[in-house]
Amino acid sequence: EPEVTQTPSHQVTQMGQEVILRCVPISNHLYFYWYRQILGQKVEFLVSFYNNEISEKSEIFDDQFSVERPDGSNFTLKIRSTKLEDSAMYFCASRGDSNNEQFFGPGTRLTVL
Amino acid sequence: GEDVEQSLFLSVREGDSSVINCTYTDSSSTYLYWYKQEPGAGLQLLTYIFSNMDMKQDQRLTVLLNKKDKHLSLRIADTQTGDSAIYFCAEANTDKLIFGTGTRLQVFP
Repeated sequence: EPEVTQTPSHQVTQMGQEVILRCVPISNHLYFYWYRQILGQKVEFLVSFYNNEISEKSEIFDDQFSVERPDGSNFTLKIRSTKLEDSAMYFCASRGDSNNEQFFGPGTRLTVL
Repeated sequence: GEDVEQSLFLSVREGDSSVINCTYTDSSSTYLYWYKQEPGAGLQLLTYIFSNMDMKQDQRLTVLLNKKDKHLSLRIADTQTGDSAIYFCAEANTDKLIFGTGTRLQVFP
């Protein structure tokens, strides 16, 4: 069964460093998303992406964040200068054109020291 | 703003039914979802219901929607130890999902 994959599973970085989190959505899906879950808190929407542009973004998704679909298979989230409060589990999701089911990847745990 | 609330814990005996409840505030929600998260894993879509329905059944899972009260529930029949996980309710009226806090279901023998 096709699934969303994410790499790395765990990323540790120093405050102020740039990180890129990678996702490979399900191959025929057209809509892509990033969510995050700070430990012990709700899963929060960050951004949605369709047709090579951002469809919607939350207040969390400020100028430090960017997304890109650099090729036909990857979807990336870049945090330019990480802060301690960016430590969270980051989930990528994708969905096809014909339904409203968002399928989630296993997540990348980002730890900012 | 939009908000989704759930109780934090539920403990049931194996073989009993579990009922996980959720309330939401956005009356324009079009879809409501249930996701399952096992330890160390991602979010697995269990089922969803369109807002013009009041019930959906899928094998052991029954979703009930009371749109007037903005209340959603997930019933798991014949709960098994493998059902132990965190269950998230989520609503959507645009393309983004708004999640609840999650309910940790513990199944004991």
